[in-house]
Amino acid sequence: KAGVTQTPRYLIKTRGQQVTLSCSPISGHRSVSWYQQTPGQGLQFLFEYFSETQRNKGNFPGRFSGRQFSNSRSEMNVSTLELGDSALYLCASSLVPTGRGTGELFFGEGSRLTVL
Amino acid sequence: GNSVTQMEGPVTLSEEAFLTINCTYTATGYPSLFWYVQYPGEGLQLLLKATKADDKGSNKGFEATYRKETTSFHLEKGSVQVSDSAVYFCALSRTQGGSEKLVFGKGTKLTVNP
Repeated sequence: KAGVTQTPRYLIKTRGQQVTLSCSPISGHRSVSWYQQTPGQGLQFLFEYFSETQRNKGNFPGRFSGRQFSNSRSEMNVSTLELGDSALYLCASSLVPTGRGTGELFFGEGSRLTVL
Repeated sequence: GNSVTQMEGPVTLSEEAFLTINCTYTATGYPSLFWYVQYPGEGLQLLLKATKADDKGSNKGFEATYRKETTSFHLEKGSVQVSDSAVYFCALSRTQGGSEKLVFGKGTKLTVNP
C-alpha cells in the first residue's frame, strides 16, 4: 500500500511569508505527527493529531499550527517565516496515537523548506 | 524531562567492521526504546524496538538490548555493509500525564566504505 506522502517536497520562501505543507497518511492510519529536522537541533516534535483533534504539542511558537481533516490528511502552516524555520519537515502516521500502540511511526520523505 | 543522548558522529567504518552506536536515555518509569534509520533522501523507518527491560530488539543483523540499570540501548552490528550507510536515531516513547510523543536523539551518521 502507498506510504506517507508529503507535498511539496521542496520549496523556497522569503522571510515574512507563510507556508502550508500537506501530509497524506497511510490508508487506515488515523494519527499524524509532525517533526522539524535541522542539523543543529535534530528531530523536534511539533504536534500530533488523531481523529481531527490535536493530542499533543511541542515547544514551538504559535506561528506553527496544524490541522487534520476527516480523511486523516493533515496540514501544517507556518506564518511569518523566519530564517531559522529552514528545515526538513517530516510527517509520520500510525494506526493509533503514539503511546497506545507499538510506538512505530511511518515517516514520509519530508518537505524541505528554505527561507531566504 | 525525557531525553535521549547518542554518541556524536560521524562514524566511518570499513565494510565487515563491527559497529556500536551508543545511546543512553533519561526518563521516569519504563519507556519503550527504538532505533530508527534514515537512508539518504528518505524518511525515517523503524529498525528495531524493545518495550521492557532486558528485551533485545533485532532486525537486518542489528541488535540492541534494553538495559535499565545503565539506562542504555546501544545499537550493534557484527559486520556492516556499504548499504548500511545512513543516519541512525535512538528514540524513546513514554506516556506521561496523558500525553505521549517519541523523543529522538540527534542522530549518528554512519558511512561504510568498501
